[in-house]
Amino acid sequence: DAGVIQSPRHEVTEMGQEVTLRCKPISGHDYLFWYRQTMMRGLELLIYFNNNVPIDDSGMPEDRFSAKMPNASFSTLKIQPSEPRDSAVYFCASSSPGVIPDTQYFGPGTRLTVL
Amino acid sequence: AQSVTQLGSHVSVSEGALVLLRCNYSSSVPPYLFWYVQYPNQGLQLLLKYTTGATLVKGINGFEAEFKKSETSFHLTKPSAHMSDAAEYFCAVNNDYKLSFGAGTTVTVRA
Repeated sequence: DAGVIQSPRHEVTEMGQEVTLRCKPISGHDYLFWYRQTMMRGLELLIYFNNNVPIDDSGMPEDRFSAKMPNASFSTLKIQPSEPRDSAVYFCASSSPGVIPDTQYFGPGTRLTVL
Repeated sequence: AQSVTQLGSHVSVSEGALVLLRCNYSSSVPPYLFWYVQYPNQGLQLLLKYTTGATLVKGINGFEAEFKKSETSFHLTKPSAHMSDAAEYFCAVNNDYKLSFGAGTTVTVRA
């Protein structure tokens, strides 16, 4: 398996622009997680999905952030409009179904820089 | 909610020396605990996990961790450090299907 795939790996944009980050989870995994990593705040869970349905979006910082999962093999995280404080590395992770919380497999991340 | 605290943001060890990374947890229910490693410019990779059963858990790359309920700890060790162990290490605890991560410990290995 190719693992979790994220694109783009790097994104540089200007303040006010729309940014879309993409994720393809591991086939068969029905949980998908979006994280943000910064030096100041560490790793933060933004939102997670189960069977394509958003379960908990309490970590989404504000209305400028939105996430969708239109099918089992694709998810997007959108920031509109972007701000310099959104600069961070964004990770997508997926895990397989199970009775207990299972291992989360992380993608390589998207490094976002907002100028 | 469950949480973890990692003691020490930076650890420097000599090649061949013991690696010890400390993690304490807070949980109102039996916890599931994880250690992840992050190499530069990469995503997180699972080292090992504790769910139930044996309290000494062996992971990849020679790492192991021991769950001690009486001390609410889940410290990570490796008997002999290798240069390739230089990375950032994260302890995590489950909150339902979510993970709460510690702040991370950066390991530097001296030749």
